[in-house]
Amino acid sequence: RKEVEQDPGPFNVPEGATVAFNCTYSNSASQSFFWYRQDCRKEPKLLMSVYSSGNEDGRFTAQLNRASQYISLLIRDSKLSDSATYLCVVNPLGGGGFKTIFGAGTRLFVKA
Amino acid sequence: DGGITQSPKYLFRKEGQNVTLSCEQNLNHDAMYWYRQDPGQGLRLIYYSQIVNDFQKGDIAEGYSVSREKKESFPLTVTSAQKNPTAFYLCASSIPTGAYTDRLFFGSGTQLSVL
Repeated sequence: RKEVEQDPGPFNVPEGATVAFNCTYSNSASQSFFWYRQDCRKEPKLLMSVYSSGNEDGRFTAQLNRASQYISLLIRDSKLSDSATYLCVVNPLGGGGFKTIFGAGTRLFVKA
Repeated sequence: DGGITQSPKYLFRKEGQNVTLSCEQNLNHDAMYWYRQDPGQGLRLIYYSQIVNDFQKGDIAEGYSVSREKKESFPLTVTSAQKNPTAFYLCASSIPTGAYTDRLFFGSGTQLSVL
């Protein structure tokens, strides 16, 4: 089993749709969780950290379920500009560090 | 503006050649990392350095070498021993491990291809 597994893509959705991605992690000691966005042949950019209580940033909502060891990202009112690959990132030590594990990413295509 | 600069953006390697990828940061971060990304795969750690003059192997260090003579710089050499070097290489930095809410800052990447 991979340490971090994400929904297989690609997801193809129309503009305005709501789309959800899930990610599971195997290390129950994991301390910090992130969603990154990566455009083709560009660097990953932090979309949002994921907190135990769940958190929202505009159209994006992240949830963490420690008991089931999964993280989710919900995107509401999808825009064309949301088309990208979304990486689930987990760290057992907390914060940036050499133990950071990256999921393979879920590709999202938003079409007009 | 603070950030991480990688160069070159594109690099071509001939058979048997060593090539060096540059990574410079002005964020005053102690820790720096090199990752390799292949299509459809997550980032894999090649080498990391938590402090100047010290570095450790990551998960896929074979065929690569690094140095950390200055806090700002962490160059990666892809040696001729790396038989499958074609990939997207990302340099990153962070404040030292232990900062609970810290995150990784990435450079813009170098695409390495074999001629």
